[in-house]
Amino acid sequence: GQNIDQPTEMTATEGAIVQINCTYQTSGFNGLFWYQQHAGEAPTFLSYNVLDGLEEKGRFSSFLSRSKGYSYLLLKELQMKDSASYLCAVRGRNNDMRFGAGTRLTVKP
Amino acid sequence: EPEVTQTPSHQVTQMGQEVILRCVPISNHLYFYWYRQILGQKVEFLVSFYNNEISEKSEIFDDQFSVERPDGSNFTLKIRSTKLEDSAMYFCASKVEGGQPQHFGDGTRLSIL
Repeated sequence: GQNIDQPTEMTATEGAIVQINCTYQTSGFNGLFWYQQHAGEAPTFLSYNVLDGLEEKGRFSSFLSRSKGYSYLLLKELQMKDSASYLCAVRGRNNDMRFGAGTRLTVKP
Repeated sequence: EPEVTQTPSHQVTQMGQEVILRCVPISNHLYFYWYRQILGQKVEFLVSFYNNEISEKSEIFDDQFSVERPDGSNFTLKIRSTKLEDSAMYFCASKVEGGQPQHFGDGTRLSIL
């Protein structure tokens, strides 16, 4: 089976840095994805890790440790528009993708 | 930028009726997916489709559900006899090849009365 855990809610200040953690236990692993989802909208792709290490993409970075079953999404220079849910998702060996429950981030002025 | 498009944006149906949700994936994409998100809950995988057949399905995707790619562009999800608990947002997604990310449509909000 699969288990994907991430904090339910986080709050941070505009301009700050926030790290959203995700731990997973899966029967097969074929990549980890981070998506952003604003309320009432579709998930939009942020980043993808399949090998250990850090992937950087502008203000967003994502890290993966396969041996620890652990990833984080790092958001720098937070803006008000970054207030959203951040979804950690793991792709299994059969090409299915399972999502965590999401972390609702609130950015305050 | 090419998009995954879904129709309708909102569907209201009586319990027990059949419903078909439609999706047009991005044109050069080869892998297609349906997901469900009940209000306030997580995105749940339903089914993946590749090479004109189902490649994986979840425990949610029971005999009431079916998918079809009737022509070269549409990808549909049919729910045969809807139940109240089928009320949710249904997202279609597609990707070009194995290692690439999935791109989501805007979803269809299904309300069962």
